Amino acid sequence: EIVLTQSPGTLSLSPGERATLSCRASQSVSSSYLAWYQQKPGQAPRLLIYGASSRATGIPDRFSGSGSGTDFTLTISRLEPEDFAVYYCQQYGSSLFFGGGTKVEIK
Amino acid sequence: QLQLQESGPGLVKPSETLSLTCTVSGGSISSSSYYWGWIRQPPGKGLEWIGSIYYSGSTYYNPSLKSRVTISVDTSKNQFSLKLSSVTAADTAVYYCARPFVPLVVRAPFDYWGQGTLVTVSS
Repeated sequence: EIVLTQSPGTLSLSPGERATLSCRASQSVSSSYLAWYQQKPGQAPRLLIYGASSRATGIPDRFSGSGSGTDFTLTISRLEPEDFAVYYCQQYGSSLFFGGGTKVEIK
Repeated sequence: QLQLQESGPGLVKPSETLSLTCTVSGGSISSSSYYWGWIRQPPGKGLEWIGSIYYSGSTYYNPSLKSRVTISVDTSKNQFSLKLSSVTAADTAVYYCARPFVPLVVRAPFDYWGQGTLVTVSS
């Protein structure tokens, strides 16, 4: 079982700032099968990134993903008010596991 | 536009079986080539994949839940269902049904989700 550790647990930033979220895997994630989701209170998760760096349909280009092996990053270049939410990474190379999430809150 | 909707009891007693159904509209389970999945989220916590099913009935389960989970499909009703036996308070969660964004692959990110339904396990 691949364990995904997300950091930090909470990120306090202001609109317009850059957000950098980390997802570290306990073992190498094959073929960069790593996805990122955004979840707002009371809503289902929304797929943002798949294949570590490919944006899903309709996702603004301020969201970008990078990384390989065991270290992955989600970057939001300039935070918009609607970006304050919880973000989860998910590996899908072996079974399907999610990380514990990072909350991006307004500072 | 594909839509998924979970339904079922919101309250289940400990040791009993949790049963939920996901109704798919805007697309056919049997004519598409997708796997259909269940994911849950305990209140205030993270996401956990429960399992997935293909329209033919092939299933894949999270090893940690496999002994208690059964997922089935009813193509005539365009529905798939989840049964989780011997529930405890730890099974209290919002349960989502979802579809991955690529066909024919069980392990893929999900891009269509139901709104989720809260199931509470309590006597």
